[in-house]
Amino acid sequence: DAGVTQSPTHLIKTRGQHVTLRCSPISGHKSVSWYQQVLGQGPQFIFQYYEKEERGRGNFPDRFSARQFPNYSSELNVNALLLGDSALYLCASSLRGRYEQYFGPGTRLTVT
Amino acid sequence: KNQVEQSPQSLIILEGKNCTLQCNYTVSPFSNLRWYKQDTGRGPVSLTIMTFSENTKSNGRYTATLDADTKQSSLHITASQLSDSASYICVVSADSNYQLIWGAGTKLIIKP
Repeated sequence: DAGVTQSPTHLIKTRGQHVTLRCSPISGHKSVSWYQQVLGQGPQFIFQYYEKEERGRGNFPDRFSARQFPNYSSELNVNALLLGDSALYLCASSLRGRYEQYFGPGTRLTVT
Repeated sequence: KNQVEQSPQSLIILEGKNCTLQCNYTVSPFSNLRWYKQDTGRGPVSLTIMTFSENTKSNGRYTATLDADTKQSSLHITASQLSDSASYICVVSADSNYQLIWGAGTKLIIKP
């Protein structure tokens, strides 16, 4: 079975641009969470979705938004990119919100 | 405030030696504690999950302990291998919401 997949693997954007990151959960998993990990730090929680509804939101500005589709895949959108948004963005899926999370390989976003 | 603190921040040991990583948390109400291994630039991989009633759990050469009274956990690695070089992150789940509280991780380097 395929694990959690994320696309793209790497991305370079300039300040002020918009970016969309995509995540496909493990088959049968209905919950997807998004994390931002800056180099040298632990992951910071951004959003969690379960059954297409937002179940949790971390301390991130409104420039960050997400959604979950009927097939449980998810998109993370970031508007008006800042240099500080450069990070590894991780997606994790689980059967339900509090169950064990399985992480994808991440998308490395570089903002110049 | 819910927090997870890990020590040491980094650790260098010789191949074949044992080591123990520490995690202290102030998360309430407690649901479960997880240890993840994260290779540089990759998504975290789950090593163990322990609930309130479990005080030890093993996964191969990895053994995690939990003392819910003192709110401390440790991860013991036996007979270290070069492939153990990674960051080890302690994560605590609060029972009241879907969020995970992440520690900053311990960066472990195994030298031949």
